[in-house]
Amino acid sequence: DAGVIQSPRHEVTEMGQEVTLRCKPISGHDYLFWYRQTMMRGLELLIYFNNNVPIDDSGMPEDRFSAKMPNASFSTLKIQPSEPRDSAVYFCASSPTGTNQPQHFGDGTRLSIL
Amino acid sequence: GENVEQHPSTLSVQEGDSAVIKCTYSDSASNYFPWYKQELGKRPQLIIDIRSNVGEKKDQRIAVTLNKTAKHFSLHITETQPEDSAVYFCAASENFNKFYFGSGTKLNVKP
Repeated sequence: DAGVIQSPRHEVTEMGQEVTLRCKPISGHDYLFWYRQTMMRGLELLIYFNNNVPIDDSGMPEDRFSAKMPNASFSTLKIQPSEPRDSAVYFCASSPTGTNQPQHFGDGTRLSIL
Repeated sequence: GENVEQHPSTLSVQEGDSAVIKCTYSDSASNYFPWYKQELGKRPQLIIDIRSNVGEKKDQRIAVTLNKTAKHFSLHITETQPEDSAVYFCAASENFNKFYFGSGTKLNVKP
């Protein structure tokens, strides 16, 4: 299996610009998770989907962040407008059907907002 | 919601020694406890997991123990090797596949 695929791997942009991060989950996985990782705050869950439907977005920091999952094989996390404090590594993870299944992480997107 | 605490935040051991990382959780409904290893600049990878109907699980040099009464679980690595150096995260989950991660332990294995 190809694993969870994220793009881009690195993104450097100026504050105020729109940033779009992309994720392709493992085929057949029904759950998709977006995390943000920083030294200060560790791994934070931003939002997760089940069968393309957002289940819990309580971790989304503010309205500048939005996430969509238009189909079972694609999700986006968008930041508009971006700010320097959004700089972090953003991970996407997916897990299969059933309770208490392990999450499989993508390689992440390292985002730097100047 | 669930709160997972992880200790220590850093751990340094000599190659060949054992390493133990401990986590506590607050929600007695949690019933799944995975452990992830994250090497520098890489993604977190699952190394072992345990479900609440089991008290201990082993996989070669790695073992996890669970005490449901005390609400704590631990990762044990025996015969540590330099390639075990990484950040280790514990997590707890109840039935909705949402993980609550600990803050991580940076393990350094000195050759």
